[in-house]
Amino acid sequence: EPEVTQTPSHQVTQMGQEVILRCVPISNHLYFYWYRQILGQKVEFLVSFYNNEISEKSEIFDDQFSVERPDGSNFTLKIRSTKLEDSAMYFCASSDFDDSYNSPLHFGNGTRLTVT
Amino acid sequence: TQLLEQSPQFLSIQEGENLTVYCNSSSVFSSLQWYRQEPGEGPVLLVTVVTGGEVKKLKRLTFQFGDARKDSSLHITAAQPGDTGLYLCAGVGYGGSQGNLIFGKGTKLSVKP
Repeated sequence: EPEVTQTPSHQVTQMGQEVILRCVPISNHLYFYWYRQILGQKVEFLVSFYNNEISEKSEIFDDQFSVERPDGSNFTLKIRSTKLEDSAMYFCASSDFDDSYNSPLHFGNGTRLTVT
Repeated sequence: TQLLEQSPQFLSIQEGENLTVYCNSSSVFSSLQWYRQEPGEGPVLLVTVVTGGEVKKLKRLTFQFGDARKDSSLHITAAQPGDTGLYLCAGVGYGGSQGNLIFGKGTKLSVKP
């Protein structure tokens, strides 16, 4: 079965550094998402992306965050200047329609980001 | 802000027992999903319920959406060690976009042989 793949599985960075988290969504999917899960807390929506633009973003997704689909296969999340509180598991997801009933989200296995 | 509260947070039972996990909110959701998440992996969808009162079965798992679409339950019959994992409920808020899921905090289930 096709999968969403995320790299790296674990990223350690120093506070203030830029990080780019990479995702390869399922190939025929059109809608892409980033979620995060701080240790011990809920999975939280960050952003959705369709047709090369952000379709929705949460309050968490401030100016420090950006997303890009640089080519036909990758979907990236960039954090410009990381803070300690950005430490979390970041999940990428994709779906082929904007209809969670008929086209559920497929999640990758996540990138654990540790900011020191 | 729409919230989903799951209970219990932790559940440890013996193989063969039955259990129910609850997912409650004061808000209406247009649909609700149940996921299972293994350590080091992303959530994997088990089921989506859409209609108030809807009941869906997946082998020994029974999912129900409340009549008012504010709550849901997951019942496991004759639990097995393979059912061990984190169970998450997630909802699409009424009028919200389909990809903006609101998650509960999860129920960590441990089934001992």
